[in-house]
Amino acid sequence: EDQVTQSPEALRLQEGESSSLNCSYTVSGLRGLFWYRQDPGKGPEFLFTLYSAGEEKEKERLKATLTKKESFLHITAPKPEDSATYLCASNYGQNFVFGPGTRLSVLP
Amino acid sequence: NAGVMQNPRHLVRRRGQEARLRCSPMKGHSHVYWYRQLPEEGLKFMVYLQKENIIDESGMPKERFSAEFPKEGPSILRIQQVVRGDSAAYFCASSPRLPGLAGGRDEQFFGPGTRLTVL
Repeated sequence: EDQVTQSPEALRLQEGESSSLNCSYTVSGLRGLFWYRQDPGKGPEFLFTLYSAGEEKEKERLKATLTKKESFLHITAPKPEDSATYLCASNYGQNFVFGPGTRLSVLP
Repeated sequence: NAGVMQNPRHLVRRRGQEARLRCSPMKGHSHVYWYRQLPEEGLKFMVYLQKENIIDESGMPKERFSAEFPKEGPSILRIQQVVRGDSAAYFCASSPRLPGLAGGRDEQFFGPGTRLTVL
């Protein structure tokens, strides 16, 4: 069965303390790996799409990387406004499978 | 360019009533996905539709749930005879193209969700 797992489940950082979130997937025929940010009570907000191992994408303090079995979302010098749940998802043709998310809290 | 719109944002129903959730995709998008999210859980795929066609409904319960995306108007997710276990946030997402085609750009864009509470 195609699965997406994320770790840690929750992460608490001090402002400025860099860290990484992990997304692991077991797939057959992975098409793409997606990262979203979700704030409480809102819909997921698209961040990145990665398609091939070795690919990297950056946006402000976030950088996403992809290997053959996992993806990392690196957060450099986070700020309190980066607090949210970060979701990763993969698609296999037409199907999209989401991981359970990592709840990130950045303390001032 | 308006984003994905969903309404109502909050819906309260009593057990046995019908719930009707609407989703208007982004302009130019003809592909719609519905997901359900329970508290502290991830998004679970329900159904994928194109205009006038259901492409994949493998994640949708066989009974009481139905979805449509007519030629004109929004996509509708309909839940008949709701039960307490149907209480959840329902999200719709849209994309401009069939996923899996060469050239990338499979990302989906989500609406704000409808929070269904069944009393």
